Amino acid sequence: DGGITQSPKYLFRKEGQNVTLSCEQNLNHDAMYWYRQDPGQGLRLIYYSQIVNDFQKGDIAEGYSVSREKKESFPLTVTSAQKNPTAFYLCASAKREGSYEQYFGPGTRLTVT
Amino acid sequence: GQSLEQPSEVTAVEGAIVQINCTYQTSGFYGLSWYQQHDGGAPTFLSYNALDGLEETGRFSSFLSRSDSYGYLLLQELQMKDSASYFCAVEGGATNKLIFGTGTLLAVQP
Repeated sequence: DGGITQSPKYLFRKEGQNVTLSCEQNLNHDAMYWYRQDPGQGLRLIYYSQIVNDFQKGDIAEGYSVSREKKESFPLTVTSAQKNPTAFYLCASAKREGSYEQYFGPGTRLTVT
Repeated sequence: GQSLEQPSEVTAVEGAIVQINCTYQTSGFYGLSWYQQHDGGAPTFLSYNALDGLEETGRFSSFLSRSDSYGYLLLQELQMKDSASYFCAVEGGATNKLIFGTGTLLAVQP
């Protein structure tokens, strides 16, 4: 079955530590996205990638970094520079950049104390 | 700037019809999407309107008026499993990315 996976489901870290969230898709989609969701809020775009080895900042990129070395993979690193990293992180993919139909992974709930 | 407004909460009973409204303000506009998200889960795509009018997909319909910068999601024959958050999302703006509203929490009561 094709889909998009994120791991782990729950992640706990201490302040000052970098942490990398995994996102993998086997849908053969070109575009991939990272969103952050806070309680009672909508989704805010962190980074997006249209093709391999290319990515762009979204609305709230500060304190985050990404890579896109393979079409299937788009990992997100939450660095110690992110002031308020505790949130629900969602990865999504789409057939092409700008597509209105995005497929989401199950999310990673990150708690930093 | 870019903004989307939708009600924070809506309550309805099983079998009823409910309408969730969304008004938007963006510098560019290509279309309006709707996503459903159950508590703690992944958002799933429901519908998309690029042109004015009503799009129907089973029990769900979505409407768009570009001149009014307004759309709505209509859910008919409500079921308990429809209890979820519903997000409108605009495809537009300077970067042609999806911009999400803050979501409407729908509670379906027996």
